[in-house]
Amino acid sequence: EVQLVESGGVVVQPGGSLRLSCAASGFTFDDYAMHWVRQAPGKGLEWVSLISWDGGSTYYADSVKGRFTISRDNSKNSLYLQMNSLRAEDTALYYCAKDREVGSGYAYFDYWGQGTLVTVSS
Amino acid sequence: DIQMTQSPSSVSASVGDRVTITCRASQGISSWLAWYQQKPGKAPKLLIYAASSLQSGVPSRFSGSGSGTDFTLTISSLQPEDFATYYCQQANSFPRSFGGGTKVEIK
Repeated sequence: EVQLVESGGVVVQPGGSLRLSCAASGFTFDDYAMHWVRQAPGKGLEWVSLISWDGGSTYYADSVKGRFTISRDNSKNSLYLQMNSLRAEDTALYYCAKDREVGSGYAYFDYWGQGTLVTVSS
Repeated sequence: DIQMTQSPSSVSASVGDRVTITCRASQGISSWLAWYQQKPGKAPKLLIYAASSLQSGVPSRFSGSGSGTDFTLTISSLQPEDFATYYCQQANSFPRSFGGGTKVEIK
C-alpha cells in the first residue's frame, strides 16, 4: 500500500524558515518524480514544486521560486521542501504527491499524503 | 503560464442526476488534463488523467472528454459519496496549474 506521510508543519514568523519532510513507502521511491502541492485554508489547490526521480531536475511555481528548494534522499525514501523567507501567503496545508508515471512523466498525481499545516504569522 | 477556469463554481444536484463540469485552459494543452475529487478534510483523489482515461479503481460513472482548450467531467448518475469538490489540472507545461474547483452539493 502506498503511503505518504508529511511532517514539519508549524507556526513560523514572517521571514522565517522551515523544512517539510515526506516519508514514502509502499512503492519504489526512486522510480518516480515527486511533487509538493499546497492548499490555503478554504481555498483551492496550488502546485508548488516537482523533483525528478533522481533529483536531477526541479521545477517551481513562480510564487515560491528563489525561496523554496525541493530535494529528495532516495536512500531514505524521503522528500523535502526547504522553505525560506516565508510570507503570510505561504500559509497552507502542504501535500506531497507521487507522480503517476515511472520515470519522467511529471504530469499527474496519483497518491497524496494527508498534508502538514504551515502557518506564517507573527 | 496557463490559467485553468472551471464552471460552474458550484452545482446543486440530486442523487441519480447527471452532472457535467467544464474546464477551460487559457491556451491549448492537447489532452494533458486531469480531474481530481476532494472531500472535506481529505487529500485529493485522481479520477481522470490524459483528459479521458479512468484511473484504476474509479467508478465508471465518471468520465472525461475534450482536448485543446475545452474539457468536461461527467458523473452519469450522482451517488451520495460523490458530493465533493472537483478540480481540473493541466500537465502540458510548467508551472502546473489547477482550476478553481467546482463544489457539488446536495439539492
